[in-house]
Amino acid sequence: EDQVTQSPEALRLQEGESSSLNCSYTVSGLRGLFWYRQDPGKGPEFLFTLYSAGEEKEKERLKATLTKKESFLHITAPKPEDSATYLCAVPRGSTLGRLYFGRGTQLTVWP
Amino acid sequence: GAVVSQHPSRVICKSGTSVKIECRSLDFQATTMFWYRQFPKQSLMLMATSNEGSKATYEQGVEKDKFLINHASLTLSTLTVTSAHPEDSSFYICSANLQGFEETQYFGPGTRLLVL
Repeated sequence: EDQVTQSPEALRLQEGESSSLNCSYTVSGLRGLFWYRQDPGKGPEFLFTLYSAGEEKEKERLKATLTKKESFLHITAPKPEDSATYLCAVPRGSTLGRLYFGRGTQLTVWP
Repeated sequence: GAVVSQHPSRVICKSGTSVKIECRSLDFQATTMFWYRQFPKQSLMLMATSNEGSKATYEQGVEKDKFLINHASLTLSTLTVTSAHPEDSSFYICSANLQGFEETQYFGPGTRLLVL
């Protein structure tokens, strides 16, 4: 059965303290790994899609990388506004929009 | 970017009543939309795939007679929670993708349902 596991469950960083979030997956025939940001009481906001091992994508202070077994979301010099829950997801079945989500990492960045 | 809206944003109802939640793609057509449910401190769980002009496809364990889905047009899907009970209280979120760009899902802002 496909599995997506995220760690840590929660992470507290001081502003400017870089770190990484992990998403490990067991999926046969990966057709993409997705990262989303979710603020409290809101729907997820799309960040990145990664398709193959070795691929990297960046957006402002965020960089996502992918290996054959896991993905990392690196946060460089985070700011308080980066506080959110970060979710990773993989497609289930043949329909790309059917996503299996991990439980997320709740990131808190304090000044 | 593509925008998905949901209405209402929050609803409180009595046990035994039915509640309808709308999901609209505002600036694009979506032949397929998806409905998720999220309990507190939990991740999003896919409930069903909504296909325009045809029956929805439900995930294992989701009661199709309780969660009625209608996708009447290319921009609107509705989820009706029938005979709601307190355990149905949750955060319901829909998503849609652009034709030709199915890898990117755009999520609505969610609907908070509280059943008393």
